[in-house]
Amino acid sequence: DTEVTQTPKHLVMGMTNKKSLKCEQHMGHRAMYWYKQKAKKPPELMFVYSYEKLSINESVPSRFSPECPNSSLLNLHLHALQPEDSALYLCASSKGLAGWDEQYFGPGTRLTVT
Amino acid sequence: QKEVEQNSGPLSVPEGAIASLNCTYSDRGSQSFFWYRQYSGKSPELIMSIYSNGDKEDGRFTAQLNKASQYVSLLIRDSQPSDSATYLCAVNTGTASKLTFGTGTRLQVTL
Repeated sequence: DTEVTQTPKHLVMGMTNKKSLKCEQHMGHRAMYWYKQKAKKPPELMFVYSYEKLSINESVPSRFSPECPNSSLLNLHLHALQPEDSALYLCASSKGLAGWDEQYFGPGTRLTVT
Repeated sequence: QKEVEQNSGPLSVPEGAIASLNCTYSDRGSQSFFWYRQYSGKSPELIMSIYSNGDKEDGRFTAQLNKASQYVSLLIRDSQPSDSATYLCAVNTGTASKLTFGTGTRLQVTL
């Protein structure tokens, strides 16, 4: 069973809406990630947080705004999205940022932008 | 461009057979290798990690790594219909915590 939880499971939003995706991990991990996955494609890294600080930003458009309130919570704020942003948004966590640290994914939020 | 390549499949194997999934990577400096299973509409689930040359076994799964050939594989013994999924190979190519994923191989286990 995954110990990374994500809410909501599904989200439909218009292009002018503001919404947030939430992620929580219960494994005491210190690194958390946001990925985006389109149908039949592999996950694409968006952001990495380590010890609540942004570590990697993969040049994601500013309409996606991450926030890490503490080491177990990670949010993704969404504003003025485009239909092409519709995808499965995955949160993951790992013990740390070492290359050998295993990443565990949450169940994802299926986002549809209308 | 650091790449990870997988045959997209589908790879079809009969129930009870061995499924062999392959992955090649381009960055010789890669140190950590992971296999994820992803059912349709679900999130990736980590099933194996491997860091040293050779074989690593976990139940019905065996990961094999050959760094000289830049090749990592996953064997699934006694394949079951419930193993039908897409298997993603992921490689840490040196940048801390950044994984490069292959496009995945779809496995179909037939009755």
